[in-house]
Amino acid sequence: SAVISQKPSRDICQRGTSLTIQCQVDSQVTMMFWYRQQPGQSLTLIATANQGSEATYESGFVIDKFPISRPNLTFSTLTVSNMSPEDSSIYLCSAPSRGTQYFGPGTRLTVL
Amino acid sequence: QKEVEQNSGPLSVPEGAIASLNCTYSDRGSQSFFWYRQYSGKSPELIMFIYSNGDKEDGRFTAQLNKASQYVSLLIRDSQPSDSATYLCAVGDSGTYKYIFGTGTRLKVLA
Repeated sequence: SAVISQKPSRDICQRGTSLTIQCQVDSQVTMMFWYRQQPGQSLTLIATANQGSEATYESGFVIDKFPISRPNLTFSTLTVSNMSPEDSSIYLCSAPSRGTQYFGPGTRLTVL
Repeated sequence: QKEVEQNSGPLSVPEGAIASLNCTYSDRGSQSFFWYRQYSGKSPELIMFIYSNGDKEDGRFTAQLNKASQYVSLLIRDSQPSDSATYLCAVGDSGTYKYIFGTGTRLKVLA
């Protein structure tokens, strides 16, 4: 299975600021995914990060709010821009391995 | 809109009993099905996946898939208190690896 790390593990941010979350995979993968898990809710896919091309966003998520970088096959970043308290969530990255998806440990974000 | 539905629970079972977790999905063309376990404050970890109709067993876990009924279940035999967690059902598109997750069922195994 893929081993995935994320930084930071948690952060508390002020309204209006931005936070960049990093995701590192221990092997090369074509696709990486970013999910959001709001308190008490399930996982919602934000976007698919493809190396060498623009990220593909799901309905309700836009690049201006959640810009994504994918500079190589093992790394991606997600930025949460101009944050509001409604952005308080756990953000998870994932990557496929042997036909299934594996998740990083998540970044717990609190916006005040 | 594609949906995956689960009973939120909590489902309480005594230690040693069989826990039965259920999931229905709306997209009849779905090809792959997954069960993840999520402990409080942790990220989801894969328990099982199933692609074909019927049963698939792995240790104390059995996944059951019925595509005609658009139904997938997870049985946990000899339930242990350490099995207490939220179980997420996910339905995937094997070509894109995009998953749709259910809201999860919280399981409590009582010692």
